[in-house]
Amino acid sequence: EPEVTQTPSHQVTQMGQEVILRCVPISNHLYFYWYRQILGQKVEFLVSFYNNEISEKSEIFDDQFSVERPDGSNFTLKIRSTKLEDSAMYFCARSTPLAGGSDTQYFGPGTRLTVL
Amino acid sequence: GIQVEQSPPDLILQEGANSTLRCNFSDSVNNLQWFHQNPWGQLINLFYIPSGTKQNGRLSATTVATERYSLLYISSSQTTDSGVYFCAVDTSGTYKYIFGTGTRLKVLA
Repeated sequence: EPEVTQTPSHQVTQMGQEVILRCVPISNHLYFYWYRQILGQKVEFLVSFYNNEISEKSEIFDDQFSVERPDGSNFTLKIRSTKLEDSAMYFCARSTPLAGGSDTQYFGPGTRLTVL
Repeated sequence: GIQVEQSPPDLILQEGANSTLRCNFSDSVNNLQWFHQNPWGQLINLFYIPSGTKQNGRLSATTVATERYSLLYISSSQTTDSGVYFCAVDTSGTYKYIFGTGTRLKVLA
């Protein structure tokens, strides 16, 4: 199955700095998602994005987070002022839900964010 | 919100052994997937299985939606099967997957 690619694979930043994580879909999919996984913990949903709008977001996705698809291709997650607790693996996923609601999500390789 | 619990939390097997991993969920689901997270952190799709039974090589999965559980079977385990296995469910058709706590599997040569 075609997947998504993510850049960078690893990002190290200082607390308070802004970071932008990128997701590049290989195919032309409409639905995109961001999830995160703090080391040793389960994967958590952040936000879903459909037709260039946020479809749903979790309570984790507060004002310091934003998503956009600026050029119709890359899908980005921006963290405005990083905190230590933002250190995690961030996964992008894509899907093409079928009529009736069935939905298989395919995940990218992840970006490991380390906030110092 | 929905609770997704997996058991056992940890499992150690000798190569060649069989195992069953369980995923219990507290509400009806529209979508359910099983993933394998390899030692490099990648999430690999194993099955999309909101109901019924599927098989792929040495792996198979069964979801009994009416009883709110899913099982993942691994037969003739290999060291490359090591990693963490997650089930994830979507209850509301919003395509927001809620992940379980995972089963960490280690297969010894």
